[in-house]
Amino acid sequence: GQQVMQIPQYQHVQEGEDFTTYCNSSTTLSNIQWYKQRPGGHPVFLIQLVKSGEVKKQKRLTFQFGEAKKNSSLHITATQTTDVGTYFCARPSGGSYIPTFGRGTSLIVHP
Amino acid sequence: DTGVSQDPRHKITKRGQNVTFRCDPISEHNRLYWYRQTLGQGPEFLTYFQNEAQLEKSRLLSDRFSAERPKGSFSTLEIQRTEQGDSAMYLCASSSGGMWQFFGPGTRLTVL
Repeated sequence: GQQVMQIPQYQHVQEGEDFTTYCNSSTTLSNIQWYKQRPGGHPVFLIQLVKSGEVKKQKRLTFQFGEAKKNSSLHITATQTTDVGTYFCARPSGGSYIPTFGRGTSLIVHP
Repeated sequence: DTGVSQDPRHKITKRGQNVTFRCDPISEHNRLYWYRQTLGQGPEFLTYFQNEAQLEKSRLLSDRFSAERPKGSFSTLEIQRTEQGDSAMYLCASSSGGMWQFFGPGTRLTVL
């Protein structure tokens, strides 16, 4: 299935700074999912976006789905050391809509 | 604990040996997925079951890999004649219908 492109691959921030990662597709998406993987851990589901232009918030995390449903972003306000990890977006692929993951953005937060 | 479990958590084997991993999904989930993840990469799809039926297999899945889900509950992934390139984290995930996935802790395979 087609991949999604995530940028940046790595991001270093000072604790308290904001962070944004972007997920881009060349084709229209029916939905987009976001997962977080802590170092040494496994991916944990964060959210699913379905509607064009949708914005969802989870505490300091804001997720956005583009109007054309070809891109999505995750923004973290005032990062904390607990935000460290790799953030993946995943698009459905194939007839069974199997999540296909991007390469992820690794967030490193310096105290 | 009612999450996805995987066994073993770590496996070290010599090249050419066969290995088998087990995944126990969340009990009410009818879908089960196997992924492989290497350092710096996202999970890479291998195969997918709906109940006991294996509905999709990645083209990446060579004929040395076989997966089963005999009773629609737990699943096994076997790799025959392991190669060093098979070294990776093997992740199992389950879901209900087409919803988001719950991942297990993974089995880390090292082929010497």
